[in-house]
Amino acid sequence: DVKVTQSSRYLVKRTGEKVFLECVQDMDHENMFWYRQDPGLGLRLIYFSYDVKMKEKGDIPEGYSVSREKKERFSLILESASTNQTSMYLCASSLGTSYNEQFFGPGTRLTVL
Amino acid sequence: AQSVTQLGSHVSVSEGALVLLRCNYSSSVPPYLFWYVQYPNQGLQLLLKYTSAATLVKGINGFEAEFKKSETSFHLTKPSAHMSDAAEYFCAVTLYGNNRLAFGKGNQVVVIP
Repeated sequence: DVKVTQSSRYLVKRTGEKVFLECVQDMDHENMFWYRQDPGLGLRLIYFSYDVKMKEKGDIPEGYSVSREKKERFSLILESASTNQTSMYLCASSLGTSYNEQFFGPGTRLTVL
Repeated sequence: AQSVTQLGSHVSVSEGALVLLRCNYSSSVPPYLFWYVQYPNQGLQLLLKYTSAATLVKGINGFEAEFKKSETSFHLTKPSAHMSDAAEYFCAVTLYGNNRLAFGKGNQVVVIP
């Protein structure tokens, strides 16, 4: 059974803290993605990676960075959390061709106080 | 750039009635199209996808969608709604050679007993 796991389901942090969200997939997928989901806005792509140590900006990369040191793991980093980064964060992975679907993790609901 | 339009953020349907969720895309080349479902407190799960084979695509849980190039549409239907269909539904599009998905803003489906 294919699986994408995220390190936390719920997370509460304070403004200015550095936040790490971890995502692991066990499907040997080349591509990994980080999205944020907000009511009425759908899913917006933050960053994605198509190979180890490779990354590309998505639609809303400001305030975020990513790290992919191993194929199975993709980390999202909030360098200095702000209240407007309170959101649901979803990680996904896919094989390297565009007709392949993305598989999603359960999400991390982050609250920044 | 490709984009997706889903009208009507909230859709109410009576149990046993037809479910119809509309999706229109913009793309200058033939796209790949996806419908995902998100149940409460879960990640997204693939319902079905169109990858240039048959224009009528059947998915899980009795859902199907028809690709109409002339109308740039990929509407999702189910003949008879069940209470378990209450969820949020997202249409997404990608292009050949591009691993990124562009998502619509989603339809929250409420099933009325």
